[in-house]
Amino acid sequence: GQNIDQPTEMTATEGAIVQINCTYQTSGFNGLFWYQQHAGEAPTFLSYNVLDGLEEKGRFSSFLSRSKGYSYLLLKELQMKDSASYLCAPWDSNYQLIWGAGTKLIIKP
Amino acid sequence: GAVVSQHPSWVICKSGTSVKIECRSLDFQATTMFWYRQFPKQSLMLMATSNEGSKATYEQGVEKDKFLINHASLTLSTLTVTSAHPEDSSFYICSARVGDRDYGEQFFGPGTRLTVL
Repeated sequence: GQNIDQPTEMTATEGAIVQINCTYQTSGFNGLFWYQQHAGEAPTFLSYNVLDGLEEKGRFSSFLSRSKGYSYLLLKELQMKDSASYLCAPWDSNYQLIWGAGTKLIIKP
Repeated sequence: GAVVSQHPSWVICKSGTSVKIECRSLDFQATTMFWYRQFPKQSLMLMATSNEGSKATYEQGVEKDKFLINHASLTLSTLTVTSAHPEDSSFYICSARVGDRDYGEQFFGPGTRLTVL
């Protein structure tokens, strides 16, 4: 079957760094997306990894290891507005996004 | 960038009525659009894949006669919840895939919150 595993909730302090891990099992693999979803809103695109390694985009970086079925999202210089859910979504062999429940990130002053 | 709109953003209706939700790609053509449903604190659930000019493909467990999908043009797909009941209250989100390739990126609409009384 297809499965996504992320921590349910994480707490971090404003200005700090946090790493959100994701492990996945899918029928085939065509890359992995990270989305941010604020409460009551639709997801917004953060990053896409298809090759192993680290992709950096401003304060956010995403890492992928295909052999381990593992990815993480790294958020630096945390701001209060980063409080949201973060969704790891791999593409399976049919280019269908497989969604987990996401990680709720709480930022404290 | 690619923008997807949804209308309405929220709707409250009485049990037994039908509600239509529109999903539009504003600055690109979308051969394929997706409809998702999300209950509170749960993950996005794909309901159906909508292809322009053809019938939608529904996921297992989604009633095609209850959730009518029409993708009449390359920029518009509609979801009609027929004879809505309180258990249909949810957050409905559409996304549109750029281009006609399976690996085209998906862009999400802002979502429609449906409350059925």
